[in-house]
Amino acid sequence: EAGVTQFPSHSVIEKGQTVTLRCDPISGHDNLYWYRRVMGKEIKFLLHFVKESKQDESGMPNNRFLAERTGGTYSTLKVQPAELEDSGVYFCASSQFTTGELFFGEGSRLTVL
Amino acid sequence: SQQGEEDPQALSIQEGENATMNCSYKTSINNLQWYRQNSGRGLVHLILIRSNEREKHSGRLRVTLDTSKKSSSLLITASRAADTASYFCATRTSGGSYIPTFGRGTSLIVHP
Repeated sequence: EAGVTQFPSHSVIEKGQTVTLRCDPISGHDNLYWYRRVMGKEIKFLLHFVKESKQDESGMPNNRFLAERTGGTYSTLKVQPAELEDSGVYFCASSQFTTGELFFGEGSRLTVL
Repeated sequence: SQQGEEDPQALSIQEGENATMNCSYKTSINNLQWYRQNSGRGLVHLILIRSNEREKHSGRLRVTLDTSKKSSSLLITASRAADTASYFCATRTSGGSYIPTFGRGTSLIVHP
């Protein structure tokens, strides 16, 4: 069974540019989460999808971040325009049950210059 | 706001020794989970303990939960160099949206 996959693994962009990160969860997992880790800090929650619906987006930093989950399958996280403080590793995770364990992707490292 | 907080932030031990890391949290939980992250990789689930459980074992891992103190500990016995990683606790709060919240992690280095 395929795990959670994320693309790209690493992206380097200039301030002001746009980046789109993609996450493919484990098939059948209705719950999909986005997290971000900035160097040395906690893994911070961004948002939670249940199928195609945003269940909780309280962690989204601002309106430069837009997440979608088409048809309840893969999800994208777009940052537009990117700022220096957006640099970090963006993790996607999925779970079958609301209270169960999370399965993480390898993360997408974003560097904004 | 940050729910789980791991302690210590860094731990360095010799192979064969035991490693203990702690997690404190603030509000009532449904369950608490421990994860491991090897450098540059994603997080891997280790063990889940429910709020009505006090102790769980999985191989060389032992997790305890004290809901009265709002704390948990992860013990790795007979550590190996391959255990070198960052360890995170994640709590799912009860009565809410069950969003797993993580801390900064404990960085464990096991010297061969």
